[in-house]
Amino acid sequence: DGGITQSPKYLFRKEGQNVTLSCEQNLNHDAMYWYRQDPGQGLRLIYYSQIVNDFQKGDIAEGYSVSREKKESFPLTVTSAQKNPTAFYLCASRSISERVNTEAFFGQGTRLTVV
Amino acid sequence: GQQVMQIPQYQHVQEGEDFTTYCNSSTTLSNIQWYKQRPGGHPVFLIQLVKSGEVKKQKRLTFQFGEAKKNSSLHITATQTTDVGTYFCAGRSSGSARQLTFGSGTQLTVLP
Repeated sequence: DGGITQSPKYLFRKEGQNVTLSCEQNLNHDAMYWYRQDPGQGLRLIYYSQIVNDFQKGDIAEGYSVSREKKESFPLTVTSAQKNPTAFYLCASRSISERVNTEAFFGQGTRLTVV
Repeated sequence: GQQVMQIPQYQHVQEGEDFTTYCNSSTTLSNIQWYKQRPGGHPVFLIQLVKSGEVKKQKRLTFQFGEAKKNSSLHITATQTTDVGTYFCAGRSSGSARQLTFGSGTQLTVLP
């Protein structure tokens, strides 16, 4: 059953703690993305990766970190430096081709709440 | 960098009324994609347009890609409560295979 899986679905964090959100895909996609979505808001790009061991900052990377040690996995760490981390986090993946335009597949999302 | 703007941000319609959302890019796009996110869900791919002036239909949904490939629209005829959600456009700039930029989305509410 191919797809992209995020865990956990809900996450609660105390202020000052780092937390890591998991994102795994078995679609053999090269590119993976992390987006943040606030209530009634669009998708803001945090980080993206196009190849293993390489990633780039998106529009709102401050207070976040990522790694891409395996093609299938792209975990996101929300650090204590992120001042307002309560949000819905979406991971996505897509294949990359110069010739064919490809769609993005999204995970179910992780809803992070700071308590 | 590439910017994709979407209007309106919110739209409330009475069931049975039509609805349109517009997407505008600051750069020429090689393709435009549309996604729908149901409340509490995740974005799901609807369709992709590639050719200048292209029009595609999915039942009550009509998608258009502008002649200059810098704008697009999604029109829903006779909305139903199942159409509720946020609609996003996503564009890829010509010459760039790797970046897909999402618009800010239009949140549609359908009143019964």
